[in-house]
Amino acid sequence: EVQLVESGGGLVQPGRSLKLSCLASGFTFSNYGMNWIRQAPGKGLEWVASISSSSSYIYYADTVKGRFTISRDNAKNTLYLQMTSLRSEDTALYYCARRGGLDFWGPGTMVTVSS
Amino acid sequence: DIVMTQSPFSLAVSEGEMVTINCKSSQSLLSSGNQKNYLAWYQQKPGQSPKLLIYYASTRQSGVPDRFIGSGSGTDFTLTISDVQAEDLADYYCLQHYSYPLTFGSGTKLEIK
Repeated sequence: EVQLVESGGGLVQPGRSLKLSCLASGFTFSNYGMNWIRQAPGKGLEWVASISSSSSYIYYADTVKGRFTISRDNAKNTLYLQMTSLRSEDTALYYCARRGGLDFWGPGTMVTVSS
Repeated sequence: DIVMTQSPFSLAVSEGEMVTINCKSSQSLLSSGNQKNYLAWYQQKPGQSPKLLIYYASTRQSGVPDRFIGSGSGTDFTLTISDVQAEDLADYYCLQHYSYPLTFGSGTKLEIK
């Protein structure tokens, strides 16, 4: 069974950093591209970043480019999102999802940026 | 960037009725290489993460009831839910994954009368 479990969320002050993790199981992680998507409270879905299976290709939304870094460790079956210079508008539930078509999603981890 | 225009914003129907949700893309999502449309539909029930319903515009994900039907090609796409059930109460989103940045429709809230 495919499982994705995000962690690392929490309350952080504006301008600070946070690193999210997504632990994958139930499939060969190293064969799949992965993604981060976020959803602000009461709002729709927003794609954040994508990384190919071997980390050769990486893409970011303009809203996070230069501040967020997506990475992965295939030996640990884990996807990461390093978030720096956080803003209040980054407050959201952050999901990881598998492959370009986003076929499986984790339950999400909440990030709240507030002083 | 490809803009996804989704409609309606919300709708309310009785059980057993049929609903149609539309998504229009600002550019074609049809790949000339494999003739597939890179359009997916998701269902998000209250308090849950999104679930893939339809991929390549019209292929149902495994386990999805056959009352969920995806159609369309190019720039115009439709999700039809026939014989709506109370359990279909959810938000529905379209997604284009033809090119980066990936973009979602704004969502449709389905309520059951």
